[in-house]
Amino acid sequence: GDSVTQMEGPVTLSEEAFLTINCTYTATGYPSLFWYVQYPGEGLQLLLKATKADDKGSNKGFEATYRKETTSFHLEKGSVQVSDSAVYFCALRYNFNKFYFGSGTKLNVKP
Amino acid sequence: GAGVSQSPSNKVTEKGKDVELRCDPISGHTALYWYRQSLGQGLEFLIYFQGNSAPDKSGLPSDRFSAERTGGSVSTLTIQRTQQEDSAVYLCASSYGTSGRFEQYFGPGTRLTVT
Repeated sequence: GDSVTQMEGPVTLSEEAFLTINCTYTATGYPSLFWYVQYPGEGLQLLLKATKADDKGSNKGFEATYRKETTSFHLEKGSVQVSDSAVYFCALRYNFNKFYFGSGTKLNVKP
Repeated sequence: GAGVSQSPSNKVTEKGKDVELRCDPISGHTALYWYRQSLGQGLEFLIYFQGNSAPDKSGLPSDRFSAERTGGSVSTLTIQRTQQEDSAVYLCASSYGTSGRFEQYFGPGTRLTVT
């Protein structure tokens, strides 16, 4: 069945380091892909999305490219900040309104 | 403006009791979603509503779970005869419509603990 697998955390980085959080998916057809972020004490928020192959979603310095050939949607940021510390969830939307979320990756950024 | 609200924020109940979880979506949002997040797990999709109807209930874990939405607004998720494995955070989200271009806005969740 459809599923999302993302790298386990926590991921601990120093400020200004490069970030990659891996996400791969399994789905029949052509899902839309999302990254959500949950800051401490807050609800989930949409960070970025891509709706078709080769699309690149971007927001707040984060980017992710929909790679159909590798069924991946890795999240990247060139220079992380302490304020980026949060839990990041990869998700796919398929079959109209069924959403599948990964288990989340906690990011800790140290000053 | 007001976001998605959920109540209660925390619920502790004894095994075998019934519980009701409430979700108030953002005004004007026609689509409403319920998810469950168990400890260390991702979000598990339970059910969605378009208006008052739920086209697909296959995500509900068992027949002890039911959900309804009235007046195209508030939704209630009911768990009957709760079991310890029902302990989780239950999240609600809403959006303007069911098209993928509409962002889901999430509520803060209800943490359910079954003792």
